[in-house]
Amino acid sequence: QVQVVQSGAEVKKPGASVKVSCKASGYSFTGYYMHWVRQAPGQGLEWMGWINPNSGDTNYAKKFQGRVTMTRDPSISTTYMELSRLRSDDTAVYYCARDASHVVGATLDIWGQGTMVTVTS
Amino acid sequence: SYVLTQPPSVSVAPGKTARITCGESNIGSKSVHWYQQKPGQAPVLVIYYDSDRPSGIPERFSGSKSGNTATLSIIRVEAGDEADYYCQVWDSRSENPVFGGGTKLTVL
Repeated sequence: QVQVVQSGAEVKKPGASVKVSCKASGYSFTGYYMHWVRQAPGQGLEWMGWINPNSGDTNYAKKFQGRVTMTRDPSISTTYMELSRLRSDDTAVYYCARDASHVVGATLDIWGQGTMVTVTS
Repeated sequence: SYVLTQPPSVSVAPGKTARITCGESNIGSKSVHWYQQKPGQAPVLVIYYDSDRPSGIPERFSGSKSGNTATLSIIRVEAGDEADYYCQVWDSRSENPVFGGGTKLTVL
């Protein structure tokens, strides 16, 4: 069964960092790009960036450049998204989602269950 | 960059047809994908490459494009179709997906 499973909810203080994991199973981990998308409460979907699990290449949305880092560990089929210098408006559900193509640019066909990150003092 | 325009809400009676639009001036040259998101759940792909359905998605869901507008149609709407729906295209210049603002479908 093709799936991606994310780590659990996090509560952080402003200024801290959070690292969310996304473990893939049921398919070739290095064969598909992984995106990160977030959704603030009551808001729409906001793309944050992607990572090529094979090469480690990344592409980040301008909004998050300098604060986000996406990494991967092929030995355990896991990608990570770390967001630093957290603010209250980073409170959101963070999703990882697989790109359906072997080259980035298709649809996002498999989504994780989401990880709630709450930033509060 | 692309801006995909969706109506904030659409209401439809059970058994009728819902149509959710996604507008953009160059959408005709783009592949459009649609996601369904029920409250508290992750998005689910329901239409890809304009009109293809993933396995497990009912035939009641279909996609089309005409001019500057892509449309997600749901025939014989059921209470369980109540959800937010998002369209998405790919911006090949900046290599990123672009999402519409989402449409809340209410089944009356």
